[in-house]
Amino acid sequence: NAGVTQTPKFQVLKTGQSMTLQCAQDMNHNSMYWYRQDPGMGLRLIYYSASEGTTDKGEVPNGYNVSRLNKREFSLRLESAAPSQTSVYFCASSPQGASPLHFGNGTRLTVT
Amino acid sequence: QKEVEQNSGPLSVPEGAIASLNCTYSDRGSQSFFWYRQYSGKSPELIMSIYSNGDKEDGRFTAQLNKASQYVSLLIRDSQPSDSATYLCAVMEGKLIFGQGTELSVKP
Repeated sequence: NAGVTQTPKFQVLKTGQSMTLQCAQDMNHNSMYWYRQDPGMGLRLIYYSASEGTTDKGEVPNGYNVSRLNKREFSLRLESAAPSQTSVYFCASSPQGASPLHFGNGTRLTVT
Repeated sequence: QKEVEQNSGPLSVPEGAIASLNCTYSDRGSQSFFWYRQYSGKSPELIMSIYSNGDKEDGRFTAQLNKASQYVSLLIRDSQPSDSATYLCAVMEGKLIFGQGTELSVKP
């Protein structure tokens, strides 16, 4: 039972490079989320998808795009990475909006 | 002003004491509230959820909700060194919003 799987675990990018963070869940959950975590800032919501086919902006969406590819997968894309996007990124899923979240193990991204 | 606010911490308590963690939120319409624990370098894990006013107990943990005061708290009784972690309050405001977290240190 894998739960929420994020890839890659670690990534180093140069300023201006692009990359996609992948997230997949095998719990048949409807809702999926992308958060970033910086020291002293808690978890800040980037984008979320309440159900397959929908995506909405969270607290800090600038510089990111998302795709809800199907019910299982929700990817996060950085088109032109900036040092301010250095962070730990967590993907999470839940059965529905009001339910607790299940988190992946995170992706540690460094932009130089 | 952040929508979900927690004690700035860090909070240090001796082993066996009660640790009290507090959280306030801005959206009066919020209906779902969660406490997560996060060990250093790990992902958050759910420890309590609460949906109605009053207290909810689960082992050594008690969550307290007061919607009129827009306040939710977590009490940890008989604190253990293994409870040392960052505790995150989360409030469902259409989407799940987290506070900045409170670091708890339990000293043997």
